[in-house]
Amino acid sequence: DIQMTQSPSSLSASVGDRVTVTCQASQDISNYLNWYQQKSGKAPKLLIYDASELETGVPSRFSGSGSGTDFTFTISSLQPEDIATYYCQHYDNLPPTFGQGTRLEIK
Amino acid sequence: QVQLVESGGGVVQPGRSLRLSCAASGFTFRIYGFHWVRQAPGKGLEWVAAISYNGRNKYYADSVKGRFTISRDNSKNTLYLQMNSLGTEDTAVYYCAKDRAIFGVVKTPFDYWGQGTLVTVSS
Repeated sequence: DIQMTQSPSSLSASVGDRVTVTCQASQDISNYLNWYQQKSGKAPKLLIYDASELETGVPSRFSGSGSGTDFTFTISSLQPEDIATYYCQHYDNLPPTFGQGTRLEIK
Repeated sequence: QVQLVESGGGVVQPGRSLRLSCAASGFTFRIYGFHWVRQAPGKGLEWVAAISYNGRNKYYADSVKGRFTISRDNSKNTLYLQMNSLGTEDTAVYYCAKDRAIFGVVKTPFDYWGQGTLVTVSS
């Protein structure tokens, strides 16, 4: 199985800050990587697919980059409604494993 | 609009069985693959099982293989997860999730998720 290593596990930032989360795959997954947002008590929501494609309706302050084994998720200007846990997930093959998650808090 | 509604969760004793359902609406159910993903309390996301659009191909996590069975009824637009020999480690919120691409189970992200149904395995 492909292992996904996500960091940091938690992050505290101020409104307006640029926030970055990284995800590393244990083997080459091309660009088969998602980023999800999960708010407390809710289902995950797809934000980014194919490593860098923004899902329809998702604000443009969210972005993703990378390919192969190293990926980055960025919020360009943190908003209060962005408080959530963020997960990366590969879908190169089955099982489609998830990163451990990054809990984002507002300072 | 796309809706996925899970049901069937509850409290069950260790060793017993439970069947979860996921009712879909707002799209052409029969051309998409589906997955079950679970989340133990306070923990991360764990993929559980997948089924192809026509039900012919099924895939399982090692942790549930031989105990869980995924199935679908395309005439009822419904996905199922039969869970047998439940253990306390199966306690989690179970989500159904839809593939973004048609006819695929791999190399496609999950674009819609249900709200989840809680399964608690406890004596």
